[in-house]
Amino acid sequence: GAVVSQHPSWVICKSGTSVKIECRSLDFQATTMFWYRQFPKQSLMLMATSNEGSKATYEQGVEKDKFLINHASLTLSTLTVTSAHPEDSSFYICSARDGAAYEQYFGPGTRLTVT
Amino acid sequence: GQNIDQPTEMTATEGAIVQINCTYQTSGFNGLFWYQQHAGEAPTFLSYNVLDGLEEKGRFSSFLSRSKGYSYLLLKELQMKDSASYLCAVRSSNTGKLIFGQGTTLQVKP
Repeated sequence: GAVVSQHPSWVICKSGTSVKIECRSLDFQATTMFWYRQFPKQSLMLMATSNEGSKATYEQGVEKDKFLINHASLTLSTLTVTSAHPEDSSFYICSARDGAAYEQYFGPGTRLTVT
Repeated sequence: GQNIDQPTEMTATEGAIVQINCTYQTSGFNGLFWYQQHAGEAPTFLSYNVLDGLEEKGRFSSFLSRSKGYSYLLLKELQMKDSASYLCAVRSSNTGKLIFGQGTTLQVKP
């Protein structure tokens, strides 16, 4: 199956700093990428949807100025958590879809801890 | 809006069969997915249903009834490694987004 990678797999940062998470589709072109957040013992919550070359669409309640998403190429999307706070500590998972294909492929996730 | 319901927790015995139910209400339907997620890992794809009926794949089967807004995931010959969370997700035909239920944590006991 198709492979999606994320980097880093985990990161610890200090409150007030910014963190960038990369999501790459390794063997297919991801026209659409999705960013999810998952808190412990909870399900995945969709944060935003991004299409290559256009602005991301954010879900209600997600601050677009805090969670900057860039989908500059068909194989790379980035999520930058700006001015991170301890409540931003979570498991961030990206997924990618190739055009009209039904399946979404998930990355391995990035665990962010803000101290 | 969309609403997806599944039981929070289930327990079953190794070697047995377990059925995890999922009911949904969506503003447009374009497929239902089941994913397995082990703690600290990303979800892995199990099954996809877009038409009514049963899809079988080895020990796992998934059923869909669109008129009832209902699906189930059936796991046969349970193994200890099947202990995980099982996520039901629905794709909206209006937005193309995949929306997840809260997940069912399955514990398989010897």
